[in-house]
Amino acid sequence: GGIITQTPKFLIGQEGQKLTLKCQQNFNHDTMYWYRQDSGKGLRLIYYSITENDLQKGDLSEGYDASREKKSSFSLTVTSAQKNEMAVFLCASRTGGNTLYFGEGSRLIVV
Amino acid sequence: DAKTTQPDSMESTEGETVHLPCSHATISGNEYIYWYRQVPLQGPEYVTHGLQQNTTNSMAFLAIASDRKSSTLILPHVSLRDAAVYHCILRVGTGSKLSFGKGAKLTVSP
Repeated sequence: GGIITQTPKFLIGQEGQKLTLKCQQNFNHDTMYWYRQDSGKGLRLIYYSITENDLQKGDLSEGYDASREKKSSFSLTVTSAQKNEMAVFLCASRTGGNTLYFGEGSRLIVV
Repeated sequence: DAKTTQPDSMESTEGETVHLPCSHATISGNEYIYWYRQVPLQGPEYVTHGLQQNTTNSMAFLAIASDRKSSTLILPHVSLRDAAVYHCILRVGTGSKLSFGKGAKLTVSP
């Protein structure tokens, strides 16, 4: 079986700071996703990528950049962290049959 | 995008069979119905999926209405470990964009 690893588990930054979250998968899946989940709410799609060097905007891409330089990794950058952005960021990859596998999440804390 | 509607929450007791409803009135013919569940501090986990026929696996039974406008995830003999938020989602067209709603929070009491 494979695994999705998100780093760091907790990311603490200051308002206005540029912060980067990383995601690695060893499933050899083509498509990867970044979602944001606010406390008690559903998942909102930020960016996804269907192959290496591809980037597609989701519903919540403003204020974020993404990078897919290798098939196995997908990074998300918060371009200027704000206090209302404190949330859990979830990375996922997808099989050809549309089953998603998620990482454990990275919690962003802005001070 | 096609959307789903679920109750915000449901309550149950250990040992009961739980029926979690999902409405997807505007589903397209080529869209699959997927169910995921999420426990606190974890990402969502795949439960099951189906297109038209009812499906069953070790985790749950998925009943799909004949008109496909609704489905029900059936969890037999729930335990405390089944307490989670259950997400019903649809694959959006033939593209790769997959969106999640708020889901339904299932509480299981001893």
